[in-house]
Amino acid sequence: DSGVTQTPKHLITATGQRVTLRCSPRSGDLSVYWYQQSLDQGLQFLIQYYNGEERAKGNILERFSAQQFPDLHSELNLSSLELGDSALYFCASSVARYGTEAFFGQGTRLTVV
Amino acid sequence: SQQGEEDPQALSIQEGENATMNCSYKTSINNLQWYRQNSGRGLVHLILIRSNEREKHSGRLRVTLDTSKKSSSLLITASRAADTASYFCATDFTNFGNEKLTFGTGTRLTIIP
Repeated sequence: DSGVTQTPKHLITATGQRVTLRCSPRSGDLSVYWYQQSLDQGLQFLIQYYNGEERAKGNILERFSAQQFPDLHSELNLSSLELGDSALYFCASSVARYGTEAFFGQGTRLTVV
Repeated sequence: SQQGEEDPQALSIQEGENATMNCSYKTSINNLQWYRQNSGRGLVHLILIRSNEREKHSGRLRVTLDTSKKSSSLLITASRAADTASYFCATDFTNFGNEKLTFGTGTRLTIIP
């Protein structure tokens, strides 16, 4: 158990819909990262927050947004969903902004039908 | 875009043999990390090597880093069936405060009992 909790574990939704993925980082970790992993693909970096502030942005679509709340949990919002958004979405946390190991949650498997 | 590229993409060896995976990256880094992912699960941190280090060991793992060639290798000695997984290198680098932890495309390792 990494200490990072992601909910829900599975999500099936229709095209055009909006979903929210939730991540609770490990106790004491200030950084939260979001990644997308499509079938047989590597991890695509989406966005990173540190102590409530956005620190880095990857190739995140405009239809996607995220935030980190004062209690350090984070949410990833995906809207106007398309079939191609079906993927595993991982959240990871680390204690520092960079230079330390990241602890991953078990992921949310999103299926868009 | 991916920062790192692992080589080979897939590797199958007999149990007990050594497995070597390579990672090449594009820009200067602060450190390089290796992670393991069992199918469909979250990633697990294996080892972190800083940019001023050349070699690091952890149990049956040996990691080398050559910053002049922008490459790293992960050696798993005396492989076991339980080592079957995908292995990813990850780099973090600062770009005017835009820190990112980006992952390579992964090597899928299969240990044949």
